[in-house]
Amino acid sequence: SQTIHQWPATLVQPVGSPLSLECTVEGTSNPNLYWYRQAAGRGLQLLFYSVGIGQISSEVPQNLSASRPQDRQFILSSKKLLLSDSSFYLCAWRGQGDSGANVLTFGAGSRLTVL
Amino acid sequence: QKEVEQDPGPLSVPEGAIVSLNCTYSNSAFQYFMWYRQYSRKGPELLMYTYSSGNKEDGRFTAQVDKSSKYISLFIRDSQPSDSATYLCAMSAGGYQKVTFGTGTKLQVIP
Repeated sequence: SQTIHQWPATLVQPVGSPLSLECTVEGTSNPNLYWYRQAAGRGLQLLFYSVGIGQISSEVPQNLSASRPQDRQFILSSKKLLLSDSSFYLCAWRGQGDSGANVLTFGAGSRLTVL
Repeated sequence: QKEVEQDPGPLSVPEGAIVSLNCTYSNSAFQYFMWYRQYSRKGPELLMYTYSSGNKEDGRFTAQVDKSSKYISLFIRDSQPSDSATYLCAMSAGGYQKVTFGTGTKLQVIP
């Protein structure tokens, strides 16, 4: 079966420091991978998605970046964190559901606090 | 107007009540409809998934889609305190099209 891992689960960082959040998927190959951000009361905001190694699409311009160095690894990064980057970050992969459609499966999330 | 509208709640009900959660949408291309349950400080987990119009039942949960009205519902029968969570509706046009989420409805089931 497929599993998705995210780490770290919780992170407290000072303003201006770098960020690296990692996500790995097991039990599937060549998954579509996604990074979402969830602010309180504001729903899920798609940040990046990737259809393959080295292929990254950005949905919202900001000081974050994403990379996919391996088939089942997706990394969210920043060179300099802002206070506004404090949020709950979710990695997801997309697999086959009924009738050939695709549903998103989420990781447990990484809660980032920037002080 | 947002593509998907969902009442944020919070919704408080007594244990054993029937709960109705709803979303409306504006994009007629949506064909796949999902409900996710998210406990506090956890990632969303897929609860129900339906294609096109109709009903789908899984235990105490029933998902209903009315494409003519652009309206989807999730019913929870015999609600339990363990159902207390935020429920997110989600939908897409299919294939690898973008999934659009509602903002979520926070549900509290009182013992």
